[in-house]
Amino acid sequence: ELKVEQNPLFLSMQEGKNYTIYCNYSTTSDRLYWYRQDPGKSLESLFVLLSNGAVKQEGRLMASLDTKARLSTLHITAAVHDLSATYFCAVDMDSNYQLIWGAGTKLIIKP
Amino acid sequence: DAGVTQSPTHLIKTRGQQVTLRCSPKSGHDTVSWYQQALGQGPQFIFQYYEEEERQRGNFPDRFSGHQFPNYSSELNVNALLLGDSALYLCASSLNPGPHEQYFGPGTRLTVT
Repeated sequence: ELKVEQNPLFLSMQEGKNYTIYCNYSTTSDRLYWYRQDPGKSLESLFVLLSNGAVKQEGRLMASLDTKARLSTLHITAAVHDLSATYFCAVDMDSNYQLIWGAGTKLIIKP
Repeated sequence: DAGVTQSPTHLIKTRGQQVTLRCSPKSGHDTVSWYQQALGQGPQFIFQYYEEEERQRGNFPDRFSGHQFPNYSSELNVNALLLGDSALYLCASSLNPGPHEQYFGPGTRLTVT
């Protein structure tokens, strides 16, 4: 059974700081997705990582995938308040059609 | 380009009742997945429809059923509602085959009293 673990589950940080969210998964997959969710809202796709070593960047967010370590990271650079949200990673199994989701990391960025 | 739409936005039902939620996929997409998201948790996969067939199902009881229409839109039906069915129900669409990046609708907030 594929399991996806995120850490930390909660993160409070100051504006201007850097931090990393980790996503570990338990079985082979080379497709991983990061989503953002604002309170009471739906899920917004941030990054699609489709191969080992994939790195994607958008603004202050950068995501990477290491399929050998079964690890993805979401790095936040010089955080700003607008990045406050819950971030989810989800893993796609080759032989399955469903996404398996982490529990989410609630990120609060204080001015 | 129309994104994923869902209706209704909010719904309040009583235990034992039945509910139908609706979803229209993003233009050009042919696959619809349904998720249940309880407060403070990640989405839980209910099932996925492709070519009007249920292709994959998560760990949900038979009270949860669905349908996909020829225009790719989809319905989620829940019978004999329980208090624990209160959640945000999300519909996501994608294009088969290929990596399953999914685009999510705004969700339907279901409250069971």
